Amino acid sequence: DGGITQSPKYLFRKEGQNVTLSCEQNLNHDAMYWYRQDPGQGLRLIYYSQIVNDFQKGDIAEGYSVSREKKESFPLTVTSAQKNPTAFYLCASTRFGGAITEAFFGQGTRLTVV
Amino acid sequence: GIQVEQSPPDLILQEGANSTLRCNFSDSVNNLQWFHQNPWGQLINLFYIPSGTKQNGRLSATTVATERYSLLYISSSQTTDSGVYFCAVVSPRDAGGTSYGKLTFGQGTILTVHP
Repeated sequence: DGGITQSPKYLFRKEGQNVTLSCEQNLNHDAMYWYRQDPGQGLRLIYYSQIVNDFQKGDIAEGYSVSREKKESFPLTVTSAQKNPTAFYLCASTRFGGAITEAFFGQGTRLTVV
Repeated sequence: GIQVEQSPPDLILQEGANSTLRCNFSDSVNNLQWFHQNPWGQLINLFYIPSGTKQNGRLSATTVATERYSLLYISSSQTTDSGVYFCAVVSPRDAGGTSYGKLTFGQGTILTVHP
């Protein structure tokens, strides 16, 4: 079945650590996105990538970094510079980056700072 | 940027009741999607509906783009319909007029269906 796989489902981070969240898709989609959700709120865009080897900052990129070396993969690193990283992180993809098409989401990663 | 408002914020129903959820947006849109977030957090696609009307079983949606709103209808609600319903839009005016598919979400409607 085609879809978007995020791992791990739950992640615990100590203060000062960098952690990387995985997002893989087998939908052959060009564009991929990372969103953050805080309790009781909607989603906000962290980073997006329209094609391989290209990515752009979203609304809340500070303290995060990404890479897009393969079409299928768009990992997100939460760095120690992110002051409040505890949140639910969702990865999404759309078929074309330059046109408006339906977005599909992975199951999410719940990150907690301990 | 574009603003998205959903109403009501909370909705409590008895099983079998019908409901209407509303999404208002402040500017023209290229895309509008309705999602159901289940208790495990996953966003389930309900409708991709930048304009017009669509139906899928007990659910239907209508978007009137010229009047900047969309409605999600749930008929004969079931306990499994409980969760958070989000409306999300893509505005052509983001990123200097070049759309890159960024979704702007509303705050959601929390639906609770009691047996």
